[in-house]
Amino acid sequence: EVQLVESGGGLVQPGGSLRLSCAASGFTFSSYWMSWVRQAPGKGLEWVANIKQDGSEKYYVDSVKGRFTISRDNAKNSLYLQMNSLRAEDTAVYYCARDLDTAMADWGQGTLVTVSS
Amino acid sequence: QSALTQPASVSGSPGQSITISCTGTSSDVGGYNYVSWYQQHPGKAPKLMIYEVSNRPSGVSNRFSGSKSGNTASLTISGLQAEDEADYYCSSYTSSSTLFFGTGTKVTVL
Repeated sequence: EVQLVESGGGLVQPGGSLRLSCAASGFTFSSYWMSWVRQAPGKGLEWVANIKQDGSEKYYVDSVKGRFTISRDNAKNSLYLQMNSLRAEDTAVYYCARDLDTAMADWGQGTLVTVSS
Repeated sequence: QSALTQPASVSGSPGQSITISCTGTSSDVGGYNYVSWYQQHPGKAPKLMIYEVSNRPSGVSNRFSGSKSGNTASLTISGLQAEDEADYYCSSYTSSSTLFFGTGTKVTVL
């Protein structure tokens, strides 16, 4: 059974940093693209970033370019999202997802990031 | 680039069929057969219902079907059931190698 467990969310001040983690199990992590998707309170889904199996390709939504960095450690079956220069509009539940030909086939339960002073 | 356009809400009676549209451009929906659909119940993570325009993952009911014409993709739910009441989002691969979600549609079972 595929399991994705996010962690690292919390309350952070504007301009601050946070690192999210996603622990994967139940599948061969190194064989799949992985994504981060977020959902602001009461709003729709927004794709944030994805990363190729070996980490050689990474793509980001324009609003986080230069501030967020996606990475992975295949030896630890883990996905990460380093978030810097956080803004109020980054407040959201952040989901990690296993990609299947550009579709997000499996999702974690999400971790809440709140950016507020 | 902005989100794909979906109707804010669609409703139907049990047993009826409903269709949700997802309109993009030739740089996303119209340019690739990489349209996906997701169902999200309140407080839950999204669930993949359709991928690559019309393919159903294992375990998804065959009451859910997808199609595409030009820059508009569609999700049809036939034999509407109470458990289908949820938010639905489309997603498409884009020419920038990124992904975009639709604005979301709330499905209400009357």
